[in-house]
Amino acid sequence: GDSVTQMEGPVTLSEEAFLTINCTYTATGYPSLFWYVQYPGEGLQLLLKATKADDKGSNKGFEATYRKETTSFHLEKGSVQVSDSAVYFCAPFGNEKLTFGTGTRLTIIP
Amino acid sequence: NAGVTQTPKFRILKIGQSMTLQCTQDMNHNYMYWYRQDPGMGLKLIYYSVGAGITDKGEVPNGYNVSRSTTEDFPLRLELAAPSQTSVYFCASSLGDPGAFFGQGTRLTVV
Repeated sequence: GDSVTQMEGPVTLSEEAFLTINCTYTATGYPSLFWYVQYPGEGLQLLLKATKADDKGSNKGFEATYRKETTSFHLEKGSVQVSDSAVYFCAPFGNEKLTFGTGTRLTIIP
Repeated sequence: NAGVTQTPKFRILKIGQSMTLQCTQDMNHNYMYWYRQDPGMGLKLIYYSVGAGITDKGEVPNGYNVSRSTTEDFPLRLELAAPSQTSVYFCASSLGDPGAFFGQGTRLTVV
């Protein structure tokens, strides 16, 4: 089945730093790719998505590009804020299922 | 628009007891999912459904059962609770590619 490897956390950054969270996946076919975010004590929320190769998903200053050749979907943000502190999950959607990585906990310090 | 509603939010069960976690969505989504999230871990798929009357096992189905008699409802049944089932349970629904909507979760403790 599908699988996801995410950058190990926790990740701690200062406010306004550049963020990259790596994600690679294995899947049959060409899945749609998603990033979800989980704030403390809450369920998961869709952050952004890309449905085909070279598509760039973006939302709230976050971006990720669907790289078919490297089977990657790395999450980036140019200048993080304290409010971005959360757990981030990469997830391919294939064979009618979402498969999640272990998540990366991000903490932003003022 | 309520989205995905899970009940209860919290529950403590004794070993061997049974319970049903309820999940309802009002978005007419065909796909529905049950995941469990253990502390510090990612989400593991328990069961999923692609439409009313159709269910299938996910990665960790043992000890659980589901049914999907309507598009809206997807209850998860624990028959004989075990400490290993202590976890946070999330229900989600989707139309597939647009992405999934998640409920707020049910925190279950088995003692």
